Amino acid sequence: GQNIDQPTEMTATEGAIVQINCTYQTSGFNGLFWYQQHAGEAPTFLSYNVLDGLEEKGRFSSFLSRSKGYSYLLLKELQMKDSASYLCAVRARYGQNFVFGPGTRLSVLP
Amino acid sequence: DGGITQSPKYLFRKEGQNVTLSCEQNLNHDAMYWYRQDPGQGLRLIYYSQIVNDFQKGDIAEGYSVSREKKESFPLTVTSAQKNPTAFYLCASSHNRNRKENEQFFGPGTRLTVL
Repeated sequence: GQNIDQPTEMTATEGAIVQINCTYQTSGFNGLFWYQQHAGEAPTFLSYNVLDGLEEKGRFSSFLSRSKGYSYLLLKELQMKDSASYLCAVRARYGQNFVFGPGTRLSVLP
Repeated sequence: DGGITQSPKYLFRKEGQNVTLSCEQNLNHDAMYWYRQDPGQGLRLIYYSQIVNDFQKGDIAEGYSVSREKKESFPLTVTSAQKNPTAFYLCASSHNRNRKENEQFFGPGTRLTVL
């Protein structure tokens, strides 16, 4: 079966750093994706990992450990506009569909 | 500009009526997907299509139907058999080729309300 877990909600302060974890169990693996979704809007792509290690993109970084079935999204220098849901998704096999986690709703407080 | 469009943005339907949601993309993507999202929840896959004239059921296909007659288009019909159709529907597309990043691009979504 396919299963992806994320914390339901997180709260952090403006200017701080927050780490959102994702664990997965899938029948195969061809990449892990992080998306940001503001309320009532479509998800937008943030990052992609297919090999172990850290990928950095400005204020956002994503880490992957395939042996542990684990990823995290790191957000630095938090801004109020970062308040959104963050979705972890796994592409189980090449050419197959994506499996999404339930999403983590992040609230950034002043 | 390349992108993926959905229409309408808001849709109201009476119980017992079928309704079709449009999804069009000009990104030359082979794969297209339909997801349903309920308040406070993640995305659940309804149907997906890897190539024209072929599609597969996702996790919650009951009460829905699709067609893929053209590469650019993947309409979703919500039938009267769907017991709880009120939700936010998202269409997405992606490449199927072996690229470093095969992320999905999402349309703006259609919010369906059954009255």
